[in-house]
Amino acid sequence: QKEVEQNSGPLSVPEGAIASLNCTYSDRGSQSFFWYRQYSGKSPELIMFIYSNGDKEDGRFTAQLNKASQYVSLLIRDSQPSDSATYLCAVKSLRGYSGGGADGLTFGKGTHLIIQP
Amino acid sequence: EAQVTQNPRYLITVTGKKLTVTCSQNMNHEYMSWYRQDPGLGLRQIYYSMNVEVTDKGDVPEGYKVSRKEKRNFPLILESPSPNQTSLYFCASSLSVGGNGYTFGSGTRLTVV
Repeated sequence: QKEVEQNSGPLSVPEGAIASLNCTYSDRGSQSFFWYRQYSGKSPELIMFIYSNGDKEDGRFTAQLNKASQYVSLLIRDSQPSDSATYLCAVKSLRGYSGGGADGLTFGKGTHLIIQP
Repeated sequence: EAQVTQNPRYLITVTGKKLTVTCSQNMNHEYMSWYRQDPGLGLRQIYYSMNVEVTDKGDVPEGYKVSRKEKRNFPLILESPSPNQTSLYFCASSLSVGGNGYTFGSGTRLTVV
């Protein structure tokens, strides 16, 4: 059973600081890694995806991937109150359509982030 | 505008009364999927579809049916809803499994009494 683990939080960060969100995964065959943001009662929204080891930056967001240690993280610089949300990590493994079973994309349960003004 | 459209947004129904939640995407995506989200349990996949007439079970398929007769539509059918199917439901689509990320619909909050 593939697992994607996130600390549920809440993670409280002062406005303007760096928020660091972490995710670990169990399947070493995982290929693709995604971060989604979800406001309460709303649908998940894709923030970033990363495929290769290292850092990937997009505006205030940086995704970091370390396949050897099986973790992926999301850094949010200059945190704003509007960043307060639940952040979901999703991991895609090599497993795809095989005539049965899930499709290989596994979501973590999310980390609740609170940015304090 | 590229989007996934779900209807209805809110639904209250009674046990045993068949219902359908519709999902439609306008991005010519091959892959579509249904999830339910419950407090403490996260997103759990119900069914997914790789293409027209190709569907498969996810992690929690019991009590649900789907069909994919057209590429754009992927309805979720509850033949005989029960209170344990009270949940927040999301439809999602992408070019391929995982792809460059899913586009989610706005969600359907279903209550079965």
